[in-house]
Amino acid sequence: AQRVTQPEKLLSVFKGAPVELKCNYSYSGSPELFWYVQYSRQRLQLLLRHISRESIKGFTADLNKGETSFHLKKPFAQEEDSAMYYCALITGSQGNLIFGKGTKLSVKP
Amino acid sequence: DTAVSQTPKYLVTQMGNDKSIKCEQNLGHDTMYWYKQDSKKFLKIMFSYNNKELIINETVPNRFSPKSPDKAHLNLHINSLELGDSAVYFCASTLKWGNEQFFGPGTRLTVL
Repeated sequence: AQRVTQPEKLLSVFKGAPVELKCNYSYSGSPELFWYVQYSRQRLQLLLRHISRESIKGFTADLNKGETSFHLKKPFAQEEDSAMYYCALITGSQGNLIFGKGTKLSVKP
Repeated sequence: DTAVSQTPKYLVTQMGNDKSIKCEQNLGHDTMYWYKQDSKKFLKIMFSYNNKELIINETVPNRFSPKSPDKAHLNLHINSLELGDSAVYFCASTLKWGNEQFFGPGTRLTVL
C-alpha cells in the first residue's frame, strides 16, 4: 500500500538549533517525493522536491531508497520556520499527492 | 493575479443543506484537485480531474461531486451536508504529472 509516515506530530526546537523532520514512505514503484509547508494562515506551498536536489530556505532533503526515507533537515532553525510541514508522495495517473499527517515545527526564540 | 482562488473563504451551514465551493485557476493547468483537511490537519485527496478523466477517491461519499464547466474551474458540490463534513477544503492544480501543485487558500466549511 502507498503510505507516507511522519512520526512526529510536533517538533519544538530553539532558534539556531538543527532540525530534522522525519518522513518514511511505502511505495512499490520509483517514488517522487515532496515537502510542502503551510505557514500560519497561508496556503499550502511547495518547499522542495527530491528530484530538484536544491536547498530552499536552508532546508534540504535526501531520498534514501534503502531506508525508504525523505527526511527534511536544516542546520540552524529560524523562528520564521515555524509552520506545518507535510511530506508527500505522488501517485496515480493524475499525480495525486498522498500526504503524511504533518509535523508542526515550533521554533522558540 | 492570484493563481488558484476559491470562494467562499468561510461557509457555515446547517445539516442537510446543499452547498457548493468554487475553484478557479489562471495558470493554464490541465489537472485540478480537491483535498480535504480535517480538524487534525490530515490532508487527503478527494478528486483529481483533467479534461479526460475524473478520478474519485473511493472513500469519498457520493454526496460530493466535482463539476468542471471548463478547464480553469473545478467546483465542489456537496449534498445533504453532515457534521463530519466540517473541514477545510483545498483546491489545487498542476501543469502535468509530477510537477508542483499550486494550492488555493482553502474554504473552511462548518456544518452545524
